[in-house]
Amino acid sequence: EAGVAQSPRYKIIEKRQSVAFWCNPISGHATLYWYQQILGQGPKLLIQFQNNGVVDDSQLPKDRFSAERLKGVDSTLKIQPAKLEDSAVYLCASSLEQADTQYFGPGTRLTVL
Amino acid sequence: AQSVTQPDIHITVSEGASLELRCNYSYGATPYLFWYVQSPGQGLQLLLKYFSGDTLVQGIKGFEAEFKRSQSSFNLRKPSVHWSDAAEYFCAVGASGTYKYIFGTGTRLKVLA
Repeated sequence: EAGVAQSPRYKIIEKRQSVAFWCNPISGHATLYWYQQILGQGPKLLIQFQNNGVVDDSQLPKDRFSAERLKGVDSTLKIQPAKLEDSAVYLCASSLEQADTQYFGPGTRLTVL
Repeated sequence: AQSVTQPDIHITVSEGASLELRCNYSYGATPYLFWYVQSPGQGLQLLLKYFSGDTLVQGIKGFEAEFKRSQSSFNLRKPSVHWSDAAEYFCAVGASGTYKYIFGTGTRLKVLA
């Protein structure tokens, strides 16, 4: 069974530029999560989708971050404009349903200069 | 609100020695508890989970954890550590109902040959 796929694996941009990350969850998984992991910290949930609807985006900085999962399968997370403090690893995870175990992708390491 | 504390930021053990990583949680009801491992440049891999039932949980790679409600703890153990176990370990608590995971700040394990 294929795991959660993410791309790109690494991205370096300058502040005020925009960037987008892509995630393809495990086939059949209805729930998809985006996490931000700052160096030295545990992952922090940014947004949770159930199919193509948003369940929780309470910790998403909506003035600069956006995410979508239009067809209920893959998802994109965008940052526009980026700030220095957005440097982090962005992890995507998926689960069969909300109550199930989350499986994580390899992450995208973002460096904002 | 739920929270997770991993008191040890770094732990160093010799190969073949036993290991115990500490995790304390705060949550009003019975939580869902998880241990994940993250190797450098990789996403999080699930080691084991506790939802209910037997408080001693067996996981992959020879790891086990014990849920102790009276101590609000879910410590991870391994009787004999291998060099390949060097990684960062995260404890997470999931709230039943919302299924939102809260991660600890992680414990980085170093294994001496």
